[in-house]
Amino acid sequence: GAVVSQHPSWVICKSGTSVKIECRSLDFQATTMFWYRQFPKQSLMLMATSNEGSKATYEQGVEKDKFLINHASLTLSTLTVTSAHPEDSSFYICSARGGAKSGYTFGSGTRLTVV
Amino acid sequence: GIQVEQSPPDLILQEGANSTLRCNFSDSVNNLQWFHQNPWGQLINLFYIPSGTKQNGRLSATTVATERYSLLYISSSQTTDSGVYFCAGGQGGGADGLTFGKGTHLIIQP
Repeated sequence: GAVVSQHPSWVICKSGTSVKIECRSLDFQATTMFWYRQFPKQSLMLMATSNEGSKATYEQGVEKDKFLINHASLTLSTLTVTSAHPEDSSFYICSARGGAKSGYTFGSGTRLTVV
Repeated sequence: GIQVEQSPPDLILQEGANSTLRCNFSDSVNNLQWFHQNPWGQLINLFYIPSGTKQNGRLSATTVATERYSLLYISSSQTTDSGVYFCAGGQGGGADGLTFGKGTHLIIQP
């Protein structure tokens, strides 16, 4: 089945620094990947749609200059949290769809803590 | 966008009991999935079920697309079934993300 790998699993960074999270589709090509954010005891919220070879599409209220998305190949999308602040601490999860009838597969998530 | 409502928000059961989780959508969806989020945050895909009925072991799901709801059934619950169950839906094709419900927090007591 479709496998999505996400790294790192957790990261602690200092306030003001940037953090990059990688999302890879291991056994399929994904022209589109998705990034979600989940705060403690809350649901997942779609942040942005990552499109291979073009600009990402951001959901309303998500700062595109803070959350930089790059989808340079059919198997890799990256999310960079720039100038991170404690309020950016959250669980970030990526997703991709392996096929028209297979649904969406999610990475294992990245727990970001900004101190 | 669509609204996704899950019920109940919390459910506590004894081991061996059966349960039914419900998901209502504000509009029709082309994609619908049920997930189990484990304590480490990993989303485990249970069913991709935009319509019809599917079964996998002790779990089964039914989606009535015309009435915009889906049900997840868990039979003979085990303590390892504990966790948060999410349903999520989308109206587009593969280029559109999913809208998640707030989840059902299930606790199975031994």
